[in-house]
Amino acid sequence: DVKVTQSSRYLVKRTGEKVFLECVQDMDHENMFWYRQDPGLGLRLIYFSYDVKMKEKGDIPEGYSVSREKKERFSLILESASTNQTSMYLCASSLAELPSGYTFGSGTRLTVV
Amino acid sequence: SQQGEEDPQALSIQEGENATMNCSYKTSINNLQWYRQNSGRGLVHLILIRSNEREKHSGRLRVTLDTSKKSSSLLITASRAADTASYFCATENSGGSNYKLTFGKGTLLTVNP
Repeated sequence: DVKVTQSSRYLVKRTGEKVFLECVQDMDHENMFWYRQDPGLGLRLIYFSYDVKMKEKGDIPEGYSVSREKKERFSLILESASTNQTSMYLCASSLAELPSGYTFGSGTRLTVV
Repeated sequence: SQQGEEDPQALSIQEGENATMNCSYKTSINNLQWYRQNSGRGLVHLILIRSNEREKHSGRLRVTLDTSKKSSSLLITASRAADTASYFCATENSGGSNYKLTFGKGTLLTVNP
């Protein structure tokens, strides 16, 4: 069963901490994405990647960075966590060669206190 | 930036009835996709319709696309309690980055037994 796995389902971190959210896919997908989802705001794209070591900013990249050292893994980094980064974080992947749906992970609900 | 806007924001129906959700968007698209999200989980891809298609079916799902009106509808026939979820439309915009999707804020569908 192909899937996207996010390392944590729930996470509580303190303000100022450096936070790593990990995402791994086993479908050999080229594209990977990080979204955050907030009530009333829907899904907003933070960063995406088309290839290893390649990244592009989405709509709300401020306060975040990403790393893609291997094709199957895409990490989201909160350099210094703040309370306004409390959110549901969703990772997704897709094929590059033809339009296809995204496969999403189950999400990480991050609370910054 | 939000592209798709779903309507209504919330919909409550009885089991066995049909549910119709609408999505409007602003710019030219390559394709439009519909996703389902059960409470607190990741999104699941339902169906993709290309800009040169007008209607598509998948099981109890029927999607229409009207590019002249920049709108789409998702019809779920003979609804079941298990269809209770949030439904999102997402657009891949023409001229945009490879297969990057922009999501709407979703319609919350409740199917009462």
